[in-house]
Amino acid sequence: EVQLVESGGGLVKSGGSLRLSCAASGFSFKSYSMNWVRQAPGKGLEWVSSISSSSIYVNYADSVKGRFTISRDNAENSLSLQMNSLRAEDTAVYYCAKEGDWSSYDNSGSPWGYFDIWGRGTLVTVSS
Amino acid sequence: EIVLTQSPGTLSLSPGERATLSCRASQSVSGSYLAWYQQKPGQAPRLLIYGASSRATGVPARFSGSGSATDFTLTISRLEPEDFAVYYCHQYGSSPCTFGHGTKLEIK
Repeated sequence: EVQLVESGGGLVKSGGSLRLSCAASGFSFKSYSMNWVRQAPGKGLEWVSSISSSSIYVNYADSVKGRFTISRDNAENSLSLQMNSLRAEDTAVYYCAKEGDWSSYDNSGSPWGYFDIWGRGTLVTVSS
Repeated sequence: EIVLTQSPGTLSLSPGERATLSCRASQSVSGSYLAWYQQKPGQAPRLLIYGASSRATGVPARFSGSGSATDFTLTISRLEPEDFAVYYCHQYGSSPCTFGHGTKLEIK
């Protein structure tokens, strides 16, 4: 069964740090770009960060650039998101998402794709 | 970045009726790289459509996607009770990828 399972969420004070993890199973993890997408309480979806299959291409939303770092370990089938300098507006459910088979490519060669598999999410709450 | 505007914000229909959801982009979405997702309360989003019109694995045939450039549509031909949810469009043809704010499909 194809599965993504996030962990590491919790309550943290403003300015603090948290590290999210995503364990992948049931597919060739090393072959796909992976993403983090978040959803603030009662709000819509917001793309956060992406990493290509071999970690060559890494992208961040402007709202998290310089504070969050995405990484992956293909040997361990795992994806991570290191979140520093957290703010109240970072409060959200964070989803790990796998990209599908058909991607577009931007001018730098970075792939962008749709998300065919999602985890159940992990809640991050930042108190001010 | 490309802004996606979904309309209507809320759509009230009855089971058996046809639903038409719109997603308009502020710039042309290259390659029709547009996807649609369904999200029910307390659940993760589920991929329905990619490439503007290709149904994802396991998605019922009553769901169809169409459109190109700046105007895209998700149609549900005959609503089933389990179809009432929030629907998001997502463009991945330009960086960064972006989501629409969603259309809530509710039971009338």
